[in-house]
Amino acid sequence: QPVLTQPTSLSTSPGASARLTCTLRSGLSLGTYRVFWYQQKPESPPRYLLSYYSDSSKHQGSGVSNRFTGSKDASSNSGILVISGVQSEDEADYYCMIWHSGAVVFGEGTKLTVL
Amino acid sequence: EVQLLESGGGLVQPGGSLRLSCAATGFSFNNYAMGWVRQAPGKGLEWVASITGDVDVTGYADSVKGRFTISRDDSKNTLYLQMNNLRAGDTARYYCAKDTGAGISGWFQTWGRGTLVTVSS
Repeated sequence: QPVLTQPTSLSTSPGASARLTCTLRSGLSLGTYRVFWYQQKPESPPRYLLSYYSDSSKHQGSGVSNRFTGSKDASSNSGILVISGVQSEDEADYYCMIWHSGAVVFGEGTKLTVL
Repeated sequence: EVQLLESGGGLVQPGGSLRLSCAATGFSFNNYAMGWVRQAPGKGLEWVASITGDVDVTGYADSVKGRFTISRDDSKNTLYLQMNNLRAGDTARYYCAKDTGAGISGWFQTWGRGTLVTVSS
């Protein structure tokens, strides 16, 4: 079982909200990790969006719209990225990441399609 | 403006070697940890290696441990990745990334555009 699991794809409509999940492997406690989120568009390098540890310890990337919000869902042991008021320009791959056991671990990514 | 420019990619035969470079500008290079992240064609991101900004402590993914070596020359503001015994599975675009502090965290706020490595006979 991978350390981080992300849905392969997610579709949403312009103006709606998109909720992307990043589930931590069973046995690992989400509360001890800072979750990072990256956006990648075709033919471009990844772009850092934000990181979330708690409501009092979170960071928004430089120039990143406040439409992008990070949080955690303890009930599902998941990091959450919510994109509100989705725009066509938000169509991209989204990766979550944590620092785990001395290594950087990425999720497999979610392809967000804006229909 | 912080900029990272990778170079050194190319076509190499299985078992061969290659050294990637990443020239950094716009920040105090010696104060920051740096890392390499790769992406195989059509696949996701995979961390390769990182090096701290002070005492040059390194970390590697299991998939490259013993074959790849990360290093830095602070006098030249340059990060390196020496890749030996290359395999087809190492084919990927390799990105250089700047960590947020001197320690390794994977908090990569700045990325280069990458350099493509193809391992094939």
